[in-house]
Amino acid sequence: DQQVKQNSPSLSVQEGRISILNCDYTNSMFDYFLWYKKYPAEGPTFLISISSIKDKNEDGRFTVFLNKSAKHLSLHIVPSQPGDSAVYFCAASPSGTYKYIFGTGTRLKVLA
Amino acid sequence: GAGVSQSPSNKVTEKGKDVELRCDPISGHTALYWYRQSLGQGLEFLIYFQGNSAPDKSGLPSDRFSAERTGGSVSTLTIQRTQQEDSAVYLCASSSVVDNEQFFGPGTRLTVL
Repeated sequence: DQQVKQNSPSLSVQEGRISILNCDYTNSMFDYFLWYKKYPAEGPTFLISISSIKDKNEDGRFTVFLNKSAKHLSLHIVPSQPGDSAVYFCAASPSGTYKYIFGTGTRLKVLA
Repeated sequence: GAGVSQSPSNKVTEKGKDVELRCDPISGHTALYWYRQSLGQGLEFLIYFQGNSAPDKSGLPSDRFSAERTGGSVSTLTIQRTQQEDSAVYLCASSSVVDNEQFFGPGTRLTVL
């Protein structure tokens, strides 16, 4: 049973436009959420996180939105750049635990 | 280097053989994690170490899988009698304390023929 779902396996966006990556979760005990970016042949790298006490967290071009009632979070990248092309994983965790549950990833391609 | 390192980067083995995968966490990180990413799947949690002990081995797929950590540093994931379904990228991560962000290594791609 997939507790963290990324229903779009891939997404293509024009350079300069906004990229929106979505993630849904089923476990109401999750209260810490993260996004990781992964380039080929490299391990995932941490991008941005959000605690359930917030509904938005922003870091430069990256913003994560959390809708707890819908059990949905999204990552916005604006403006998108070709170097953002990678696989993006959403992860969720109950507070105070190490156990990250990852989604299956969305491959983002930013077209120049 | 300052990051998590894993070796080998690639391993091809025959069905039935044993393999050992190694992880060197970031110096000073007390928590260490092993994950597996099979084709088309997300990252699947395998095992977690706090220091040298593994309080949670619940993600290990079968008793052919085992892991140890020595000196609070290096960890080895061992797969005995490998099967084709063990083919995956095995990723190791570490964190400074248990609920901090995890830093991942580059992974070991295991192919079982």
